[in-house]
Amino acid sequence: EDQVTQSPEALRLQEGESSSLNCSYTVSGLRGLFWYRQDPGKGPEFLFTLYSAGEEKEKERLKATLTKKESFLHITAPKPEDSATYLCAVQAGGSEKLVFGKGTKLTVNP
Amino acid sequence: DAGITQSPRHKVTETGTPVTLRCHQTENHRYMYWYRQDPGHGLRLIHYSYGVKDTDKGEVSDGYSVSRSKTEDFLLTLESATSSQTSVYFCAISESTTNQETQYFGPGTRLLVL
Repeated sequence: EDQVTQSPEALRLQEGESSSLNCSYTVSGLRGLFWYRQDPGKGPEFLFTLYSAGEEKEKERLKATLTKKESFLHITAPKPEDSATYLCAVQAGGSEKLVFGKGTKLTVNP
Repeated sequence: DAGITQSPRHKVTETGTPVTLRCHQTENHRYMYWYRQDPGHGLRLIHYSYGVKDTDKGEVSDGYSVSRSKTEDFLLTLESATSSQTSVYFCAISESTTNQETQYFGPGTRLLVL
């Protein structure tokens, strides 16, 4: 069974304090690993799709990396507006289903 | 936002009442999905559609049915709502380009079943 585990559940940072969020996964043939950002009361907002181990993608202060067992979302010099819940999901080959983790709630204090 | 709208955005209903949620997209995407999001469970797939009148079950499909009579509309029906179906429901579409495939989500419908 495909599974996604995100850690930590919650993370508090000071503005400018860089850190990483972890997404560990097991999947039968990875088709894609997805990162989303979700603000309270809103739908998930797409950030990245990663396809193979060693791949990296960047967007502003965020960088996502992928290995065969996990993905990291690195946040460099975060700002309060980066506060949100970050969701990780995997899609197995031949499947239309995304399997989501429970998310990491990030709070960045000014 | 991939042109996805959901209606209603909020609904309160009573146990045993039928409820229909609507997802509308404007960009002619073939694949559409319904997820529910609950504390402690994350997002879970209910049903999805891969074309007009073509649908399939997800992991939490019991108590739900779907219909897609037009490309742009995907309806989720709770035939007889139960309190366990209180949740936030998200519609999504799948978009594939040369370099990337992803799912984009709508704004959600918050459903309370009393």
